[in-house]
Amino acid sequence: AQSVTQLDSHVSVSEGTPVLLRCNYSSSYSPSLFWYVQHPNKGLQLLLKYTSAATLVKGINGFEAEFKKSETSFHLTKPSAHMSDAAEYFCVVSGTGGSYIPTFGRGTSLIVHP
Amino acid sequence: DAMVIQNPRYQVTQFGKPVTLSCSQTLNHNVMYWYQQKSSQAPKLLFHYYDKDFNNEADTPDNFQSRRPNTSFCFLDIRSPGLGDTAMYLCATSRGNRGLINEKLFFGSGTQLSVL
Repeated sequence: AQSVTQLDSHVSVSEGTPVLLRCNYSSSYSPSLFWYVQHPNKGLQLLLKYTSAATLVKGINGFEAEFKKSETSFHLTKPSAHMSDAAEYFCVVSGTGGSYIPTFGRGTSLIVHP
Repeated sequence: DAMVIQNPRYQVTQFGKPVTLSCSQTLNHNVMYWYQQKSSQAPKLLFHYYDKDFNNEADTPDNFQSRRPNTSFCFLDIRSPGLGDTAMYLCATSRGNRGLINEKLFFGSGTQLSVL
């Protein structure tokens, strides 16, 4: 079975400061990992994905994530938060046992203060 | 440029009155998913189609049905909506080649369903 845990339900930062959204996964196989962003009343948009090519993955809007197998983590970071980054972020895992069905984390709400 | 289109954007229905939500895609993807997302929660998979093969999640209520008449369209039918079915319903697609397990999902903007 595969699962994903987002360690924080809410993260609050000031504009211009770094962002860290934490995600740990559980998988018996080499998983595929994704981060999606959802702005209010909108669908989800892919930020980035890890598929074993490189452990440091760069995504859109200045976000990146590092896959650490030893820690079973895939944390999302951004050096400097912008007001427009305020949204819900979901960590997703798929690929366990050859399954293409994705499993979502519960989500982390990013709050950006001026 | 919209690739996954959901209609309507907002839907209000009465308790027990059947409702249908629609999803269309221009990507020619094999897999189409329906997710239910309640306020401040993660999307919950209801079911998905791999081509014409229907796959129901074990905990999806019988009240929820789906149809996929062709590659492009997929419908979510709620036969007798209850107040607890108020949620955002998200449609997503992926290429879904069974040998490819790292395909990203393409989401529609969702339909916000309110059951009164």
